[in-house]
Amino acid sequence: KNQVEQSPQSLIILEGKNCTLQCNYTVSPFSNLRWYKQDTGRGPVSLTIMTFSENTKSNGRYTATLDADTKQSSLHITASQLSDSASYICVVTFKAAGNKLTFGGGTRVLVKP
Amino acid sequence: DAGVIQSPRHEVTEMGQEVTLRCKPISGHDYLFWYRQTMMRGLELLIYFNNNVPIDDSGMPEDRFSAKMPNASFSTLKIQPSEPRDSAVYFCASSFQGQGNSPLHFGNGTRLTVT
Repeated sequence: KNQVEQSPQSLIILEGKNCTLQCNYTVSPFSNLRWYKQDTGRGPVSLTIMTFSENTKSNGRYTATLDADTKQSSLHITASQLSDSASYICVVTFKAAGNKLTFGGGTRVLVKP
Repeated sequence: DAGVIQSPRHEVTEMGQEVTLRCKPISGHDYLFWYRQTMMRGLELLIYFNNNVPIDDSGMPEDRFSAKMPNASFSTLKIQPSEPRDSAVYFCASSFQGQGNSPLHFGNGTRLTVT
């Protein structure tokens, strides 16, 4: 079964610090891997989309990496800001599943001043 | 662009009542998706449309759920009769050219509470 696992479930960091979120997936091949940010009470917003041939992509202070050999992705947040407090969701599109999106459970990040 | 617009933002209803959720996708997008989000199960795909035609409704939990897309700018998700276990946040999303490398644009959801 296609699965997407994220860790940690939640974390607290101080404003200005960096943090890294992890995403592991099972089964391949996949079409792409996405990271979304979801603020409380809002819908998810796309941060990055990477195909299997890409190993890094940045969007401002957000940098996603992908290792297709180990089936791992990470999202690095640099110089965190209070507005980074949100849930971050890893989403994989599996070719074998008809290109349906499979969502991870998310990591809830709280940035404290 | 105003983005994907959903209404209402909140809906509280009693068990057994009919509930209709509404969505206006981004103009020009040819795919529309309905998702449900709960703490226990995260985001789940219910159904999606391509050019107003339902393509995959395998995620619709029961016959109590139905969705329509009468035109390119409007879709509804109906639950009849509603049950307490239907309480969740329902998201509508749209994209151009499906779930390939195009991002999904989500609305801000409808929080449904069934008592």
